[in-house]
Parts: sequence; C-alpha cells; structure tokens
Amino acid sequence: GEDVEQSLFLSVREGDSSVINCTYTDSSSTYLYWYKQEPGAGLQLLTYIFSNMDMKQDQRLTVLLNKKDKHLSLRIADTQTGDSAIYFCAESIRDDYKLSFGAGTTVTVRA
Amino acid sequence: GAVVSQHPSRVICKSGTSVKIECRSLDFQATTMFWYRQFPKQSLMLMATSNEGSKATYEQGVEKDKFLINHASLTLSTLTVTSAHPEDSSFYICSARVAGEGTQYFGPGTRLLVL
Repeated sequence: GEDVEQSLFLSVREGDSSVINCTYTDSSSTYLYWYKQEPGAGLQLLTYIFSNMDMKQDQRLTVLLNKKDKHLSLRIADTQTGDSAIYFCAESIRDDYKLSFGAGTTVTVRA
Repeated sequence: GAVVSQHPSRVICKSGTSVKIECRSLDFQATTMFWYRQFPKQSLMLMATSNEGSKATYEQGVEKDKFLINHASLTLSTLTVTSAHPEDSSFYICSARVAGEGTQYFGPGTRLLVL
C-alpha cells in the first residue's frame, strides 16, 4: 500500500528486542494493526491500537503510536526464533473497514 | 475465537477451468468478508469486499466477471476464478470482520496454480 510504508528487512539476534517501524499518511486512521505472516500461511492478528491511544502492551509486544508524526512501531521483547516472519502494518481509515497494508518487514532471528 | 478457514488450501487446475475457493467464519458471524491476492514477496492487494446478501464491491482493476463472489450466509463467502489462466496463479486470502467490530481475521490462504 502506497499509504503505509515499512522497512523491508530486519535482522535481530535471539534474545534481543526487535523494533519494526511503520509510517502512514492518513491522519484520519481509526485503527492501526500489526499482523504476522509465516511462510505459506495467512495473516495472524498480533495486536492493534486505536488512534486515540499512545501505547499498548501485550506480553512481549509493545505498540507505540505517534499520531503527530504518523509513526507506528512494534517492539518484540526477547525475540525468539519463532518470531521469524513477515510483519505487516495496516491502517483502517474509513467506515467500510478496508485495510491498507504496508509492504511487510521480513524479520530474521539469528542465533 | 475468531477463526477463519479456507478451502481448499491449495489447488492446481488446467488453464480455462474454473476454481471455487470457500471462506468460512467458524465461530462468529461475519457481515463483511474481504478477498485479497498476494504475489510472492509482496503485500496483500484487496480485490473485493463481500457483504452478506448484497453484491460484492470490487476494487479498481479487478474484473468482476472473472472473479465471482457470493456471500450467501453470515459465515460463508466464495470466490470463483472463472476461466483461469496462468497469470491468475497466486495466493488468495480472505478475511472476515466480526459484526460490530472493525478488526479483520484472516484465513490461512489458498495457493492456486494454473497450468
């Protein structure tokens, strides 16, 4: 999606924290999502944040939203090999609930 | 909760034949389902929005006569790729929106290969 941008690759050492960044252009976004896709599989909803929130934490996952800069990030604490996947950022901006996806960030966890 | 299934998971067909893909919400009612297409190493491209009991809304550039969508019930939407050609080979993913919520839950995808 041209309205949502992500870096394409991230390599992280096992046990370290991963931070995946995303920028979006539409200030009227209502919800912002993080999805995980493993090879050959569909998308797994990891977490989401409502646009009037700054932060949301769920176990190892922390989402930060800077609405002023239209910047969203996902932090994965204590990254494990099972976290290797493609992570998609997505925004929902209209009442029709359509999602606009970023290109996806491929996270590789190395031992 | 919020499980979405797709059937089949993969299909190989001959050029010129039609293929039907089913998307089911297993434990919730989905007033809206979405169909996406994903090419290798790329993001998801929304093809159409399927609303129960009404005609699907197609995105620009998606041929409605080629990709037939039927949303017959609150738990089932089908995508039929008619007269399939090799360029239709792709990974097709559906999602379902829980009634009253904005979140979409995705199916596991269907890998289509047209020979």
